Amino acid sequence: GAVVSQHPSRVICKSGTSVKIECRSLDFQATTMFWYRQFPKQSLMLMATSNEGSKATYEQGVEKDKFLINHASLTLSTLTVTSAHPEDSSFYICSARFRSSYEQYFGPGTRLTVT
Amino acid sequence: AQSVTQLDSQVPVFEEAPVELRCNYSSSVSVYLFWYVQYPNQGLQLLLKYLSGSTLVKGINGFEAEFNKSQTSFHLRKPSVHISDTAEYFCAVSLLTEKLVFGKGTKLTVNP
Repeated sequence: GAVVSQHPSRVICKSGTSVKIECRSLDFQATTMFWYRQFPKQSLMLMATSNEGSKATYEQGVEKDKFLINHASLTLSTLTVTSAHPEDSSFYICSARFRSSYEQYFGPGTRLTVT
Repeated sequence: AQSVTQLDSQVPVFEEAPVELRCNYSSSVSVYLFWYVQYPNQGLQLLLKYLSGSTLVKGINGFEAEFNKSQTSFHLRKPSVHISDTAEYFCAVSLLTEKLVFGKGTKLTVNP
């Protein structure tokens, strides 16, 4: 099946620094990637949708200058949390879909802790 | 816009007992329905999906779900659960190539 990886799995950073999370589709070309945020014991909240070679489309209420998304290739999307603050601490999950498919394949998630 | 309601936030059951996790959706157009499972600190794994055709859908790990259009429901069932089924379960809807809309999740705890 289609495999999506995320790196790192866990990251701790200091307040005010930036952190980059990578999402890779390992065995297929992902024309669309999605980034979700999940708070403890809550559901997934879609942050943005990115299509390869295009700017990401952000959901209402998501700060695009704070959460920078780049989808430069068909196998890699990155989420950069800029000037991170403790309230940005969360579980970030990406998913990927290839052109003719309806199904999203999810990565294992990245636990971000901002101290 | 679509929305999903998972009626139970937590469901405790004993091992080998049957379980039903309830999901209702709201949409003005036909949607596609999914159930995902999430184990602690992991991503989501697709259990099953309904796109069209038979309203009874069978998935992995012995789970099945029934689409009921008149009741706008897509309840997940398993006749006999195992300890390893302990996880968070999410119901989701989409318009196929559009974004997924998730319910708030149901935590299933299987006790020995």
